[in-house]
Amino acid sequence: DIQMTQSPSTLSVSVGDRVTITCRASQSVSSWLAWYQQKPGKAPKLLVYMASSLESGVPSRFSGSGSGTEFTLTISSLQPDDFATYYCQQYNSYSRTFGQGTKVEIK
Amino acid sequence: QVQLVQSGAEVKKPGASVKVSCKASGYAFTSYGISWLRQAPGQGLEWVGWISAYNGNTYYAQKVQGRVTMTTDTSTSTVYMELRSLRSEDTAVYYCARDIIAGRIPFDYWGQGTLVTVSS
Repeated sequence: DIQMTQSPSTLSVSVGDRVTITCRASQSVSSWLAWYQQKPGKAPKLLVYMASSLESGVPSRFSGSGSGTEFTLTISSLQPDDFATYYCQQYNSYSRTFGQGTKVEIK
Repeated sequence: QVQLVQSGAEVKKPGASVKVSCKASGYAFTSYGISWLRQAPGQGLEWVGWISAYNGNTYYAQKVQGRVTMTTDTSTSTVYMELRSLRSEDTAVYYCARDIIAGRIPFDYWGQGTLVTVSS
């Protein structure tokens, strides 16, 4: 299976900060990479697919980049609603795998 | 609107089986597949397997291979996941999510989750 490694595990930030989360794959997944946001007690929400395509309805302050084995999710100016846990996920193979998650918390 | 509605919480003893359902509506059911995922308490997301609603083809994660069976009922647009020989480490919230193998957009709609607790 392809292993996905996210960093950092936790981010302590303030409203208005620029946030960058990194995801590395153990082998190339081309652009078959998605990002999700999850809040406590809720199902994850798709933010970005194909590494850089924004899902419909997702605010433009979210953006994704990268290809191959290195990917980034950026939140340009963190809003109060953005405090959550973020996961990357590869779907290059039918065996989908997730990163371990990055919790974005209030500083 | 697209909806995936899952069955309710279950409590099972070790060694028992559980069957969770996921009823789809608001889209062409057989044009997509469904993946099942799970999340143990305080942990990350784990993919369990996938089933095509078109022809019933399946892919299962190695970790549960041999203990899991996914099926579909096209007459009711419902997907089922049965997990057998339950262990305490199977305790988790199980989610279904719309998914197409080799499609550009994964997991765009999710069910509300079903808590499965395995305890003696």
